[in-house]
Amino acid sequence: GQNIDQPTEMTATEGAIVQINCTYQTSGFNGLFWYQQHAGEAPTFLSYNVLDGLEEKGRFSSFLSRSKGYSYLLLKELQMKDSASYLCAVRDYPSYKLSFGAGTTVTVRA
Amino acid sequence: EAQVTQNPRYLITVTGKKLTVTCSQNMNHEYMSWYRQDPGLGLRQIYYSMNVEVTDKGDVPEGYKVSRKEKRNFPLILESPSPNQTSLYFCASTLTGGVTEAFFGQGTRLTVV
Repeated sequence: GQNIDQPTEMTATEGAIVQINCTYQTSGFNGLFWYQQHAGEAPTFLSYNVLDGLEEKGRFSSFLSRSKGYSYLLLKELQMKDSASYLCAVRDYPSYKLSFGAGTTVTVRA
Repeated sequence: EAQVTQNPRYLITVTGKKLTVTCSQNMNHEYMSWYRQDPGLGLRQIYYSMNVEVTDKGDVPEGYKVSRKEKRNFPLILESPSPNQTSLYFCASTLTGGVTEAFFGQGTRLTVV
C-alpha cells in the first residue's frame, strides 16, 4: 500500500507563494495527483505528474521526483479563494487504487 | 455535462436502519470507488470496482456493501448503520488505462444516531 505524508496546515499572505510538500511510499506507481477541496465540497482536480519534473498550470505548478518519492505543489500569487485543503494522492499500479494523504489546510490572510 | 451524481446529499438515520447511497456516472468510466472522509484522516477507500460485476475491498470495508450491475451505477449499502459510520462519503470514477484523474461526486453527509 501507500504511505503518504503532507503537512497539516500552512498559512500565507495574499500575493505570496506557498509550497506544499508530499512524500510517499508505494509498491507500484501510476501517477501522483493534487486535488483542491473546499470545506464540505468534493475534491477538484488540480494537476498530475507521472514523469519526473515540473508541470505548470497557470498559478499552480507541481513537481515530482519518483526516485525520492517526493512531490510538491506550488501556489503562486495567492488569492483569498485559494484558502482550502490540498490533497496529495498516489495511484497504484496495477490496481488503479488512488490513496490520499490527510490533506494540507492552506489559509490565505490579507 | 460529464459528472458523477450522488444521492442523497444529506442523510440522518437511526442505528440499524438499512440505507443505500446511490452513485451514477455518465462518462463510461470502468473504475468506480467509494471513500469516506473524517477529520484528520483524509479520504479512505471503502470499496472499489474495476468494471461490471468486479468489486473489491478497500482500506475500510467493514459495515459496507457495494454492487456493480451496470457500468454507470455503483451504490453503497449500509445494512445496519452504526454511529461510527457517521462521515462524509464520496463516490469517484475514472478511466483505466493511461493516467487520468478521478472525478468525484458532490458528497453525502451521513449522520447515524
